[in-house]
Amino acid sequence: GAGVSQSPSNKVTEKGKDVELRCDPISGHTALYWYRQSLGQGLEFLIYFQGNSAPDKSGLPSDRFSAERTGGSVSTLTIQRTQQEDSAVYLCASSLQTGTGEAFFGQGTRLTVV
Amino acid sequence: DQQVKQNSPSLSVQEGRISILNCDYTNSMFDYFLWYKKYPAEGPTFLISISSIKDKNEDGRFTVFLNKSAKHLSLHIVPSQPGDSAVYFCAARTSYDKVIFGPGTSLSVIP
Repeated sequence: GAGVSQSPSNKVTEKGKDVELRCDPISGHTALYWYRQSLGQGLEFLIYFQGNSAPDKSGLPSDRFSAERTGGSVSTLTIQRTQQEDSAVYLCASSLQTGTGEAFFGQGTRLTVV
Repeated sequence: DQQVKQNSPSLSVQEGRISILNCDYTNSMFDYFLWYKKYPAEGPTFLISISSIKDKNEDGRFTVFLNKSAKHLSLHIVPSQPGDSAVYFCAARTSYDKVIFGPGTSLSVIP
């Protein structure tokens, strides 16, 4: 497809379980971002990948969160031992690094931890 | 340390009037500023941007103004329409670095 694709669109998991969220960026985009938006909150930056550089992990809230980007394309965000406060919409975006660097967002994954 | 600030969490405007959304930033190294619009249950979509070397950029009903000395930018929507009701995020970036978003302003356009 032409846009950023995220899967699953919705995920309900039990507290303590691990989850994996997937992002397929736009082909050719070298930059990839993960954000999350909790209910009534703004966009919280989680992690940023740019080409072959080491990722900027400064936004990850705890060591239960990790992300990887394989082959400079698909990215997976993993949350281990999920907690109820992890419930949020997780948004992925990709961009070129030239020009305005406009980021294109996916539809998000709504994660609910019960 | 919030580098991009949107101090108004919400704004209500009558249909047909002007909506003005404000944004302040602290990093003088930002070279592009962007506005995004977000509807519920959707990802944010890009609306308009401005380079730091300009002070105004216009696209239809949307105009962004940049005041570098004040580290302030604003998005003007005129005339406002009910379909403009959404959350608006201000964002900024430096070359080859990540985009940083503000907390957003929820705009309600009242018919």
